[in-house]
Amino acid sequence: QKEVEQNSGPLSVPEGAIASLNCTYSDRVSQSFFWYRQYSGKSPELIMSIYSNGDKEDGRFTAQLNKASQYVSLLIRDSQPSDSATYLCAVGDSNYQLIWGAGTKLIIKP
Amino acid sequence: DAGVIQSPRHEVTEMGQEVTLRCKPISGHDYLFWYRQTMMRGLELLIYFNNNVPIDDSGMPEDRFSAKMPNASFSTLKIQPSEPRDSAVYFCASNPTGLAGGPGTDTQYFGPGTRLTVL
Repeated sequence: QKEVEQNSGPLSVPEGAIASLNCTYSDRVSQSFFWYRQYSGKSPELIMSIYSNGDKEDGRFTAQLNKASQYVSLLIRDSQPSDSATYLCAVGDSNYQLIWGAGTKLIIKP
Repeated sequence: DAGVIQSPRHEVTEMGQEVTLRCKPISGHDYLFWYRQTMMRGLELLIYFNNNVPIDDSGMPEDRFSAKMPNASFSTLKIQPSEPRDSAVYFCASNPTGLAGGPGTDTQYFGPGTRLTVL
């Protein structure tokens, strides 16, 4: 069964520090990877997508992909209290469907 | 664009009653997805449509669940009869180009969700 695994947390990070969120996936042929942010009581919203090995940066966010290790991560630099949310990792499988992780709850402490 | 619209935002009903959830996707999006989210099971894909045609309903939990898309701007998810274990947040999402097929594939845009409570 295709799986996407995340540590449920909560992950507590001081304001201004780097938050590191991790995700592993089981389907070796996956080609597309997404990080969604979900605030409590709200719907998921896309913050990063990555398709190739290496790093992809967008403002304070950096997605990292290592297909050999089946590992994708999200780094948030200069963490702000407004970054406190649940972060969902989603992986496009060989049938082009999104497989979702359970999410990591991130808490940024002022 | 107003984004994906869902109604109602909250629904409280009693076990055995019929529940109908509604969704209006973003205009021009050819794909529509219905998800269910609970604390225990996370986000689960129930069914998705392409150009109003159901493509994969393997995530629909049982025959009590049904979904329709009579036209490009409207879809319904119906539960009949409802049970307490159906309590969850139901999201509708749309996508202009399809599934996560590779570079350039657009993201899924989620509606605000319907919080369903079955007593």
